[in-house]
Amino acid sequence: AQSVAQPEDQVNVAEGNPLTVKCTYSVSGNPYLFWYVQYPNRGLQFLLKYITGDNLVKGSYGFEAEFNKSQTSFHLKKPSALVSDSALYFCHEGTNAGKSTFGDGTTLTVKP
Amino acid sequence: GAVVSQHPSRVICKSGTSVKIECRSLDFQATTMFWYRQFPKQSLMLMATSNEGSKATYEQGVEKDKFLINHASLTLSTLTVTSAHPEDSSFYICSARDRGGQGHTEAFFGQGTRLTVV
Repeated sequence: AQSVAQPEDQVNVAEGNPLTVKCTYSVSGNPYLFWYVQYPNRGLQFLLKYITGDNLVKGSYGFEAEFNKSQTSFHLKKPSALVSDSALYFCHEGTNAGKSTFGDGTTLTVKP
Repeated sequence: GAVVSQHPSRVICKSGTSVKIECRSLDFQATTMFWYRQFPKQSLMLMATSNEGSKATYEQGVEKDKFLINHASLTLSTLTVTSAHPEDSSFYICSARDRGGQGHTEAFFGQGTRLTVV
């Protein structure tokens, strides 16, 4: 069973607006949660991770994510979207290191 | 950060031929590497886990005789698509983790290989 879920295939936002890409997880015990970004015809790039500690995690390119245990969520956020943020975003749970626990991906499109 | 280099980035081959894809960890040792296949606008499908010095562990439904994996050193894993057919055309990505591949460390991904079989 998939341990992470990304409920939205596509997210569209206007440049300058805040963006949210959703992820929920289903793991017994403490999860290891990651966000990756993929640009066309490229591999995935690491954005940020939550292992323990502060629930609000800051990462690359101005992205942040909030770990919410009660809602079992780890949504990716950015206060002001850029056109260059348009890409495919993957949520990943790493407790079972390397196994196929990626979300299905969310395509983010930021329009000028 | 750590770098994983994947080569080639693009390859076009004739049906029936074999293609080798290399995945190298450039500045760390990776006892375990992972091979994924990605269809257009879809998630990553884990094909196999490559273990240095031993046989790869294949996921259910992945033909081990068709997708040969060799992990001969701590920095190199190769995926060979044998007797390629057009349905094997896809984007293949490798990844590795530093520090023994534990789950709390982020994975580093290769740039991917776009395979087109004609």
